[in-house]
Amino acid sequence: DIQLTQSPSSLSASVGDRVTITCRASQDIRSGLGWFQQKPGKAPKRLIYDASRLQSGVPSRFSGSASGTEFTLTITSLQPDDFATYYCLQYSNSPFTFGPGTKVDIK
Amino acid sequence: QVQLVQSGAEVKKPGASVKVSCKASGYTFTDYYLHWARQAPGQGLEWMGWINPNNSATNYAQKFQGRVTVTRDTSISTSYMEISSLRFDDTAVYYCATLAPSGPGVWGQGTLVTVSS
Repeated sequence: DIQLTQSPSSLSASVGDRVTITCRASQDIRSGLGWFQQKPGKAPKRLIYDASRLQSGVPSRFSGSASGTEFTLTITSLQPDDFATYYCLQYSNSPFTFGPGTKVDIK
Repeated sequence: QVQLVQSGAEVKKPGASVKVSCKASGYTFTDYYLHWARQAPGQGLEWMGWINPNNSATNYAQKFQGRVTVTRDTSISTSYMEISSLRFDDTAVYYCATLAPSGPGVWGQGTLVTVSS
């Protein structure tokens, strides 16, 4: 099975900050990775698919990139609505696997 | 609009079974695989498996093989996920979702299953 690691596991940031979250895959998954945002008590919401494609309706301050087996989610200017937990998901190989999550909270 | 609506919360005893439903609307049900995932209290997301609504083919994570069954009824655009031999550590919120990159990327609202004696 493909393992995903995320770093950091948590971070504290201020409104307006640039935030970067990394997801590393244990083997080549090409561009088969998505990013999800989850708020407490709510279902996850897809932000990015195919490593860098922005989901319709998601603000352009969110972006995704890839380099080999390392994937990055960037929020260019953190907004109050962005405080949440972020998960990556690989769907290149079955079984699909989620990363352990990164919690972004208010500094 | 595109949405997945799940059945309500359940409380079950250890050893029992539970069946959660997921009704799709706003898109053609047979166009995209439907996935199931779960989230234990305070924990991360765990992928369980998928069903191809076209032909009912399924694929499960090894951890759930033999204990989880996913089915569908195309006449009512609904998928079902049944877990048998429930254990205390099956207590979780269960989600259905369309995860394919080409799909709408929607999730159900989640169904809390509590296993308690």
